[in-house]
Amino acid sequence: EAGVTQFPSHSVIEKGQTVTLRCDPISGHDNLYWYRRVMGKEIKFLLHFVKESKQDESGMPNNRFLAERTGGTYSTLKVQPAELEDSGVYFCASNFGLTVGYGYTFGSGTRLTVV
Amino acid sequence: AQSVTQLGSHVSVSEGALVLLRCNYSSSVPPYLFWYVQYPNQGLQLLLKYTSAATLVKGINGFEAEFKKSETSFHLTKPSAHMSDAAEYFCAVSDTGTASKLTFGTGTRLQVTL
Repeated sequence: EAGVTQFPSHSVIEKGQTVTLRCDPISGHDNLYWYRRVMGKEIKFLLHFVKESKQDESGMPNNRFLAERTGGTYSTLKVQPAELEDSGVYFCASNFGLTVGYGYTFGSGTRLTVV
Repeated sequence: AQSVTQLGSHVSVSEGALVLLRCNYSSSVPPYLFWYVQYPNQGLQLLLKYTSAATLVKGINGFEAEFKKSETSFHLTKPSAHMSDAAEYFCAVSDTGTASKLTFGTGTRLQVTL
């Protein structure tokens, strides 16, 4: 089966611009997560979708970040306007079912650089 | 709230030597614990997971980890390092059995030398 796909793999934008990241989860995975790793720090949770609903968005840093998952398939994460501190690697993950026993499959990440 | 501490941001071992990557967690409830590996230019790959079954968990590529409740630890080991093990390793915890977020440690970069 295809894995979790993220694109773009890299994005360099100027401060104040808008960037949209996309994640395609494994087909049939109801749960989709976004995480971010700022350089040298831990990978931090941003939010969790169950199908098209936001189950937990406690990790979203501020209202410049908007995540959507229309139709319960792919998800987008928009940053508008981007700030320097938004630079980092954004990971998407998905899993099937209601328990952690199924594990989580991660994408390769999008490396965002804001200059 | 749960947290994860990985001692040593960088670990260097010789090829053939024992690999030991440390992970300690804090959780108010029985945890579910994971080790992930990230090879250069790749995503996070699950090495192994503990979900309240056997305390010694075997994973891929010869890695294993032991859950020790009394020490709140879940250290990752491999008897003999290979050059291909060079990567960054992340320990993560979930404090619920239902599908929810993971809390990660800061990662340990493993270097394997000849």
